[in-house]
Amino acid sequence: GAVVSQHPSWVICKSGTSVKIECRSLDFQATTMFWYRQFPKQSLMLMATSNEGSKATYEQGVEKDKFLINHASLTLSTLTVTSAHPEDSSFYICSATPPGAGNWGTEAFFGQGTRLTVV
Amino acid sequence: KNQVEQSPQSLIILEGKNCTLQCNYTVSPFSNLRWYKQDTGRGPVSLTIMTFSENTKSNGRYTATLDADTKQSSLHITASQLSDSASYICVVSAIKAAGNKLTFGGGTRVLVKP
Repeated sequence: GAVVSQHPSWVICKSGTSVKIECRSLDFQATTMFWYRQFPKQSLMLMATSNEGSKATYEQGVEKDKFLINHASLTLSTLTVTSAHPEDSSFYICSATPPGAGNWGTEAFFGQGTRLTVV
Repeated sequence: KNQVEQSPQSLIILEGKNCTLQCNYTVSPFSNLRWYKQDTGRGPVSLTIMTFSENTKSNGRYTATLDADTKQSSLHITASQLSDSASYICVVSAIKAAGNKLTFGGGTRVLVKP
């Protein structure tokens, strides 16, 4: 099946620094990718939709200046957590869907996630 | 408002036993329903994807059912194994949802004990 890869798998950073997380679709092109955040024992919460060649669409309550998204190519989207604080510590997951979804949609493939710890 | 509710929130079963997880949704117009397995600290992995015309779909020891009339789905795990310990997430997609945006259930945490 299709593969979506995230890097890094985990990162520890100091408060006030920025962290970049990469999401790559390895065997298909994705014009749209999604970024989620997941707190312990909770389900995934959509943060933003990353659109190749245009600005990302952010969900209500998500600060676009804090969570910078760049979808530079059809296989790569990056999420940068700027001026990270301990409350940003979470599990970040991206997903992408292969093209040709039509009306019924196709499988959404998820990256393995990135555990961010801000100290 | 599109919603997906799962039950139970968590359950403990003995290795070798069966269990059934429930998913109720109000997403409309319905496109498809997916069940994912998420191991701790990992991204979700797809188990099944079902459209409105499909009532049952199996993937090994996992069997999903869908009743589009009552807007209910279930995931049955047969002869559970220790490796089945994970969170199981029900995800529903609406037709022509912008960019395939998905509505997630809260998940059911399953713990299989020896």
